[in-house]
Amino acid sequence: AQKVTQAQTEISVVEKEDVTLDCVYETRDTTYYLFWYKQPPSGELVFLIRRNSFDEQNEISGRYSWNFQKSTSSFNFTITASQVVDSAVYFCALSEERDSGGSNYKLTFGKGTLLTVNP
Amino acid sequence: DGGITQSPKYLFRKEGQNVTLSCEQNLNHDAMYWYRQDPGQGLRLIYYSQIVNDFQKGDIAEGYSVSREKKESFPLTVTSAQKNPTAFYLCASSSRTARYTFGSGTRLTVV
Repeated sequence: AQKVTQAQTEISVVEKEDVTLDCVYETRDTTYYLFWYKQPPSGELVFLIRRNSFDEQNEISGRYSWNFQKSTSSFNFTITASQVVDSAVYFCALSEERDSGGSNYKLTFGKGTLLTVNP
Repeated sequence: DGGITQSPKYLFRKEGQNVTLSCEQNLNHDAMYWYRQDPGQGLRLIYYSQIVNDFQKGDIAEGYSVSREKKESFPLTVTSAQKNPTAFYLCASSSRTARYTFGSGTRLTVV
């Protein structure tokens, strides 16, 4: 069975601090995808990144960066110089390998980390 | 622009009533999903459909039903058998390359 653990339930930082959100996953699949989503108070899920299991390169996008390490089954997310607008719940998710010939990617979500950035 | 439309945004249900949540996509995605979110929790899979006229139960399907008569549409019915239906419901679709798109959600409250 697949499992995603986000051990940090809530994090509070002061603006301009760097913050890292942890994500550890379990899967028996050799091919899978990992995702990070942001959920602001409006409730909509905002896609941040998708990474497949074959690509362990770290990625940087503006103030956001991701560290994927298969050896430790972790996919951590760092926000540099945090801003008040970064306040939201952040979810890490893992997809199963799709059914043969199909396009089905069921997602298993962590419980989320509530990030509060104070001015 | 392509996307997923969920309606209504807010829905109130009386005890013992069935209600249907709408989900429409114009992304030409084959697969569609329904997830439920409770406060302080992650999303849990209710039902998913890979092709028209076929769907599978997810982790928490009891008390829910779906249909997939058209590729674009995947409505979810919350039946009276669902004992605790108050939650935030999100519909999603995915492409063959795992590009996932979520709708903006429906907040269902039992009154």
